[in-house]
Parts: sequence; structure tokens; C-alpha cells
Amino acid sequence: EAGVAQSPRYKIIEKRQSVAFWCNPISGHATLYWYQQILGQGPKLLIQFQNNGVVDDSQLPKDRFSAERLKGVDSTLKIQPAKLEDSAVYLCASSPQPAGVPYNEQFFGPGTRLTVL
Amino acid sequence: AQSVAQPEDQVNVAEGNPLTVKCTYSVSGNPYLFWYVQYPNRGLQFLLKYITGDNLVKGSYGFEAEFNKSQTSFHLKKPSALVSDSALYFCAVRGLTPSGTYKYIFGTGTRLKVLA
Repeated sequence: EAGVAQSPRYKIIEKRQSVAFWCNPISGHATLYWYQQILGQGPKLLIQFQNNGVVDDSQLPKDRFSAERLKGVDSTLKIQPAKLEDSAVYLCASSPQPAGVPYNEQFFGPGTRLTVL
Repeated sequence: AQSVAQPEDQVNVAEGNPLTVKCTYSVSGNPYLFWYVQYPNRGLQFLLKYITGDNLVKGSYGFEAEFNKSQTSFHLKKPSALVSDSALYFCAVRGLTPSGTYKYIFGTGTRLKVLA
């Protein structure tokens, strides 16, 4: 079974530029998550989708971050414009169970390491 | 508010010795607890979870975790450590938010170093 795919793996941009990350979850997984992992910290949930609907985006900085999952499969996360403090690893995860199931484990992609100069 | 604490930034253990990585939590309602492992330049991998029932949960790669409700702890254990167990370990709790959704809260991680 193929895992969660993410691209690019690394990205270096200057502040105020825009960047987009792509995620392809495991086939058939209904729930998709985007996390931000700053060095030395645990992952922080940015947004959670079930199929193509947003379940939770309470911690997404909506003035600069946006995400979509148009056909309920692939997802993109965009930052526009980027700030220095956005430097982090952005992790995508998926889960086969619906978002309302509390005990579902997540399957993570390798992440995209963003450096903002 | 929900929270997870991993009090040790790093744990060092000799190969062959037992290991423990500590985790305490705070959540309203029933706790759903997880351990994940992260190897360099890779995403997190699920190890085990506690939902209900037996307080001792067995997971991948010989790891197990003990749920202790009175101490609100969920420590990760392994009877005999391997050098290949060296990695970053995250404890997570999934609890119900005021908005009615379930959210993962991760700890800050504990780096396990197994010495040959």
C-alpha cells in the first residue's frame, strides 16, 4: 500500500513570497490533516478535512494560510505571504475513519521542510 | 484545556536495558492516547493507542504502554532496547473540543538514544 505522498520535500523562499505544498493521502482515506511542526515542538494541527469539507481550521492563520481539498482526495496548503516564523516542517496525514471517530490513528507523509529567509 | 506533557527532552539507555519514555495528559472526558515515533527526515509513524479496556497496550516493534488513570499517565516502555529504537517519540491525546470535533494534541517529543 502506498503511503502519504508530499511534495516538495524542501523549499526555501524569502519572506513575503508565496509557497504551496501538495499532499496525496492513502487511497480511500476520508480524513486528511495538515500539521505544522516547528523545530523542537510537536506537530500542531492547522486544518482537518473530511472528504472535501473542512472539519476544523481553528488554528489556521487564515490571513495568510489557505488549504483546499477540492475532490476529496489531494490537498494543497498555501502560504501567502510567508513570514520568518513560518519556517517549519509541514506534515500531511490521513486516516481511513471519519473525523468524528476519536480513536483513529493517522498515517503521516514525510513532510515538507520550509525555510523562510 | 487538553494538554500533553513529556517531561524529558532526552532519554539515554544502554542497548539491552529496559526503556521508559514518560507522558502525562489532561483531557476532559475519555482519553484516547497514542504514541508515535519519528525517524530523521520522515513523518511520524503510529506505534500504539489506548482506547479502553486493558491498561497495558502492546504495539509495534515490541513497544508497550501502560495507561494509569489515577496518575493521568501513559508511559511508553520496552523490555530490551535496540540501537535502532533511537528516534524521536511523541505522545498524543485526542479529546473532544468545545466545538464538538476531536483534535490531536501532541507533546513536545522525547529523543530516545540507545547506546551500543
